[in-house]
Amino acid sequence: AQSVTQLGSHVSVSEGALVLLRCNYSSSVPPYLFWYVQYPNQGLQLLLKYTSAATLVKGINGFEAEFKKSETSFHLTKPSAHMSDAAEYFCAVSRTGANNLFFGTGTRLTVIP
Amino acid sequence: DTGVSQDPRHKITKRGQNVTFRCDPISEHNRLYWYRQTLGQGPEFLTYFQNEAQLEKSRLLSDRFSAERPKGSFSTLEIQRTEQGDSAMYLCASSSQGFNSPLHFGNGTRLTVT
Repeated sequence: AQSVTQLGSHVSVSEGALVLLRCNYSSSVPPYLFWYVQYPNQGLQLLLKYTSAATLVKGINGFEAEFKKSETSFHLTKPSAHMSDAAEYFCAVSRTGANNLFFGTGTRLTVIP
Repeated sequence: DTGVSQDPRHKITKRGQNVTFRCDPISEHNRLYWYRQTLGQGPEFLTYFQNEAQLEKSRLLSDRFSAERPKGSFSTLEIQRTEQGDSAMYLCASSSQGFNSPLHFGNGTRLTVT
């Protein structure tokens, strides 16, 4: 079975500060891991994905995530938060070869000016 | 690439009524997915099509729910005899054939059952 746990339903950071959103996964097989962002009243947009090629994955808008097998983690980071980063962020996992994603419950990021 | 389009954006209906939602995927994508998202939760997988074939259905998809993709292009999701618990955002996504190709989501249809 696959699942992800996102620690912290709400995270607040000051503009310019480091963004760290946590995601831990559980998977009985090597996982594919994803981060999506959702702005109010919109669908989800892919930020980045891990597909076993490289453990440090760079995505759009300056975000990156590192796959750590020993910690079963795939935390999302950004060195300097912008006001436009305020949104809901979802971590997701799929089985290798599967097409459906299992999403976490999401983390709402607030950026304080 | 015009993106995934969903119609309507909002639907308010009375309990017991039937509703139907439409999804138009990105034209070159042969895979189409339906997800449901309730307030404060992540999207939950409902069903998946490859071309016109419905290949997987979640246990969340009760007998009152039916999805079709008759010509392998647009898809419809129908909910019969709606219940208040059906109130949610219904998201459609599409992807290409490639192995673990990323899902492209539409803006969703928000259903409110009164």
